Amino acid sequence: EVQLVESGGGLVQPGGSLRLSCAASGFTFSSYAMTWVRQAPGKGLEWVSAIGASGASTYYADSVKGRFTISRDNSKNTLYLQMNSLRAEDTALFYCAKHMSSSSSPFDYWGQGTLVTVSS
Amino acid sequence: QSALTQPASVSGSPGQSITISCTGTSSDVGSYNLVSWYQQHPGKVPKVMIYEGSKRPSGVSNRFSGSKSGNTASLTISGLQAEDEADYYCCSYARSSTWVFGGGTKLTVL
Repeated sequence: EVQLVESGGGLVQPGGSLRLSCAASGFTFSSYAMTWVRQAPGKGLEWVSAIGASGASTYYADSVKGRFTISRDNSKNTLYLQMNSLRAEDTALFYCAKHMSSSSSPFDYWGQGTLVTVSS
Repeated sequence: QSALTQPASVSGSPGQSITISCTGTSSDVGSYNLVSWYQQHPGKVPKVMIYEGSKRPSGVSNRFSGSKSGNTASLTISGLQAEDEADYYCCSYARSSTWVFGGGTKLTVL
């Protein structure tokens, strides 16, 4: 059974940093692209970032480019999102999701999410 | 990376059919046959219902179908059931290997 478990969320002040993690199990993690999607409270889904299976290719939404960094450790079956220079508008539930194959394929499994709150 | 345009809400009675539109541009929906649709019940995780425009993952009811014409994709749900009441999001692959979601549509089953 595919499982994705996010962690690392919490309350952070504007301008601060957080590192999210997503522990994956139940599939060959190193064979699939992975993605982060966020959802602000009461709002819609927003794609944030994706990474190829090997980790060599990374992609970002304009809203986070230059502030967020996606990475993965295939030896630990873990996906990361380093978030710097956080803003109030980054407050959201952050989901990690598995692509069906490459980063041009849709997301077939999602974690339960980890909540990030940016506030002073 | 502007969000795709969806109607904020649609409604229908049990047994009826409804269609949700998703309008993008020639940089996303119009350029790729890579539109997917996600269903999200309140407090739940999104679930893919349609991918690559019209394909259904295993386990998804054949009451759900997808199509595309130009820059607009559509999700049709036939034989509406109470359990279909949820938020629906379209999502398209876009240039520079990014993805863009629609704003979401709340489906109410009357």
